[in-house]
Amino acid sequence: QTVVTQEPSLAVSPGGTVTLTCASTTGAVTSVDYPNWFQQKPGQAPRALIYSTVNKHSWTPARFSGSLLGGKAALTLSGVQPEDEAEYYCLLYTGGTWVFGGGTKLTVL
Amino acid sequence: QITLKESGPTLVKPTQTLTLTCTFSEFSLSTSGVGVSWIRQPPGKALEWVALIYWDDDKRYSPSLKNRLTITKDTSKNQVVLKMTNMDPVDSATYYCARYISNSPLYYFDYWGQGTLVTVSS
Repeated sequence: QTVVTQEPSLAVSPGGTVTLTCASTTGAVTSVDYPNWFQQKPGQAPRALIYSTVNKHSWTPARFSGSLLGGKAALTLSGVQPEDEAEYYCLLYTGGTWVFGGGTKLTVL
Repeated sequence: QITLKESGPTLVKPTQTLTLTCTFSEFSLSTSGVGVSWIRQPPGKALEWVALIYWDDDKRYSPSLKNRLTITKDTSKNQVVLKMTNMDPVDSATYYCARYISNSPLYYFDYWGQGTLVTVSS
């Protein structure tokens, strides 16, 4: 069964830039894995940020962007704000089903 | 606006069957490309994708849970029901439902319910 791997934790300073990645045990992540990214704050439901690699929802702040980077899906936050401190999850399509990564806890120092 | 809400028991006993209902509004499961998915999250742990039902009644299940799951829809009531048999304490989690859109090459889960916490204990 596919395992999706994310960095367990990352830290960034306010105003800085950080990239979170999402890897698959089946090989390089590509556009047909349709990577989705979600943000979750404590006690809240996940909020969708990015879909099909690069597409933003209407509510997604401009500082969030998605891409493919070195065989992984990537979520980049540019000009990080204190309110971006949260858990971030990627989700990949594989063999007709979907698999979440283990999440990245982003700390804004 | 689009909303989804999960409902069901907060406590189930081991070996029992869990039945959860997702009631949604402002979209229809009879519309091509629309689906509803279930996702769960044990306390302090990661999200886990569980199941998905499409507008055409196609169904997909997590391979690790497939033998225990049944997902159905009632389009007239705007509801999706998830049944999970043989519940175990490790199934204790917050269960979310989310709207799914399939519009090749765009696939996404956009609107989520608030979640419902299910505890499995005798």
